[in-house]
Amino acid sequence: KQEVTQIPAALSVPEGENLVLNCSFTDSAIYNLQWFRQDPGKGLTSLLLIQSSQREQTSGRLNASLDKSSGRSTLYIAASQPGDSATYLCAVVAGTSYDKVIFGPGTSLSVIP
Amino acid sequence: DADVTQTPRNRITKTGKRIMLECSQTKGHDRMYWYRQDPGLGLRLIYYSFDVKDINKGEISDGYSVSRQAQAKFSLSLESAIPNQTALYFCATSAAGSAYGYTFGSGTRLTVV
Repeated sequence: KQEVTQIPAALSVPEGENLVLNCSFTDSAIYNLQWFRQDPGKGLTSLLLIQSSQREQTSGRLNASLDKSSGRSTLYIAASQPGDSATYLCAVVAGTSYDKVIFGPGTSLSVIP
Repeated sequence: DADVTQTPRNRITKTGKRIMLECSQTKGHDRMYWYRQDPGLGLRLIYYSFDVKDINKGEISDGYSVSRQAQAKFSLSLESAIPNQTALYFCATSAAGSAYGYTFGSGTRLTVV
């Protein structure tokens, strides 16, 4: 059974720091991995989607990498800003008919001005 | 207008009442999903539908039912609400195939008293 974990559960950094959020999954047979951002009490906003054949994706200050063999993905945020404060979730698409999405529990990020 | 719209945004209901949460989308996606989010438990899949005639149970379908009225509409019903169904509920959509990610609605905060 696919399990997804995220470390750390919470992170507090001063503004301007570069930081890395980690996502691990137990079954390397995935189809894609998606990173989301969730603001308190709000919906999930898609940040980056990495196909299983890709190793990384970039969008602005965000860079996500994928290493299927080790069951790991990282989300790198450069030059963090207070507006980056949110919970970040990774989601793994597994299953033979693309019908299973397993979410990690999330990392709560606070960027201190 | 949002790609995925959920109504209502917030709802307080009494134990034993029947309640329906609605979701509509303008993405043109075939696949629609209902999730609930609880603190410490993350997102869990309730039901999903790959097309109008296809309905599937997810991880936690007991106490819930769904209806796919059209490609763009997918509603979730609680036949007899109970307090432990208090949660944040999300509707999501996706296109077929792993090349595409998921789009989430803004959520419905449901409180059962």
